[in-house]
Amino acid sequence: KQEVTQIPAALSVPEGENLVLNCSFTDSAIYNLQWFRQDPGKGLTSLLLIQSSQREQTSGRLNASLDKSSGRSTLYIAASQPGDSATYLCAPGGGADGLTFGKGTHLIIQP
Amino acid sequence: DGGITQSPKYLFRKEGQNVTLSCEQNLNHDAMYWYRQDPGQGLRLIYYSQIVNDFQKGDIAEGYSVSREKKESFPLTVTSAQKNPTAFYLCASSPFSGTGRQYEQYFGPGTRLTVT
Repeated sequence: KQEVTQIPAALSVPEGENLVLNCSFTDSAIYNLQWFRQDPGKGLTSLLLIQSSQREQTSGRLNASLDKSSGRSTLYIAASQPGDSATYLCAPGGGADGLTFGKGTHLIIQP
Repeated sequence: DGGITQSPKYLFRKEGQNVTLSCEQNLNHDAMYWYRQDPGQGLRLIYYSQIVNDFQKGDIAEGYSVSREKKESFPLTVTSAQKNPTAFYLCASSPFSGTGRQYEQYFGPGTRLTVT
């Protein structure tokens, strides 16, 4: 069964810093991996989707990489802003039967 | 606007009562999913459906039931058999090609259920 670990569990940094969120998963037989953002009390917003054949995907200040063979993905956030404060969730997808989620990284960007 | 709607946003029920959570999507997606989120835990899959009139149990299906009579709708019933029903429930959908590939999932705003 797929298990997903996200490190760190929480992170607080001053505005403007570049930061890296880490995700590891135990089963490398995945089709893709999604990164989501969740604001308190809200649903999930999809940030990036990396297909298993891709090494990385970029959207604005966000860059996600995927090393399928080692079971790792990282989300890089450049020039962080207070509006980036949220919980970030990693979810590898093994098929049409749903995603497996980590517990997330709770990020606070200090103004 | 295309998207996923869940209603109501907040739901309160007495212990022993069944309750149904609504999920509707107008994205023309084939697959729909229900997840449960508890504080300090990752989202866990309850049920999923890849086509109309067909659905499968996820990791924590006990105490829940679903139906998929229309492509747009995937209601979840929390029965009195669910021991700890208080949680945040999230519905999602994605395209499905039939080949088993996993496509991008889109989520609704969630329903917070409190049972006392």
